[in-house]
Amino acid sequence: GDSVTQMEGPVTLSEEAFLTINCTYTATGYPSLFWYVQYPGEGLQLLLKATKADDKGSNKGFEATYRKETTSFHLEKGSVQVSDSAVYFCALSPTGGGNKLTFGTGTQLKVEL
Amino acid sequence: GAGVSQSPSNKVTEKGKDVELRCDPISGHTALYWYRQSLGQGLEFLIYFQGNSAPDKSGLPSDRFSAERTGGSVSTLTIQRTQQEDSAVYLCASSSQRGRGYTFGSGTRLTVV
Repeated sequence: GDSVTQMEGPVTLSEEAFLTINCTYTATGYPSLFWYVQYPGEGLQLLLKATKADDKGSNKGFEATYRKETTSFHLEKGSVQVSDSAVYFCALSPTGGGNKLTFGTGTQLKVEL
Repeated sequence: GAGVSQSPSNKVTEKGKDVELRCDPISGHTALYWYRQSLGQGLEFLIYFQGNSAPDKSGLPSDRFSAERTGGSVSTLTIQRTQQEDSAVYLCASSSQRGRGYTFGSGTRLTVV
């Protein structure tokens, strides 16, 4: 079945550092890929998405590129802020939409001054 | 409403008791999902409702779990004879289209003592 693998956290960075959170997936066909963010005490929010190979999703300075050849969707940000501290979830939706998203286990990011 | 609303936000119950968790999706969203988020784990799919179609119950972990959606809007997740392993955050999400990402509620934190 479909699966998503994320790097384990917590990831601790200094403000203005470069961020990469790795995500790889296993799925048949051409799934859609998502990054969700969960700030402390809040629900999950859609951060960005990509629906086909080589698409780049971007939002709030975060980017992720859908790489079919490496089955990856790594999240990057050039300069993190303390306010980016949260848990980040990679997820996929099966080819054709499907009924449910499959999530990774989440990666906690802590940004310090 | 403006977002997905879940109640209660926190619930502490004794082992063996039944609990009901409520989700009020975004008005007009035809799809509604329940997920479970356990400590240190990703999001586990429980059940999915789409319009008037039969729900996808493939993620329900046991027959103690059930859910219904009345009038295509509000949904209730019921857990009978709760066990300690049921302790988790139960998240509800709604969506207007398949594969386009969900809007999540803030969740209900269930603690079984």
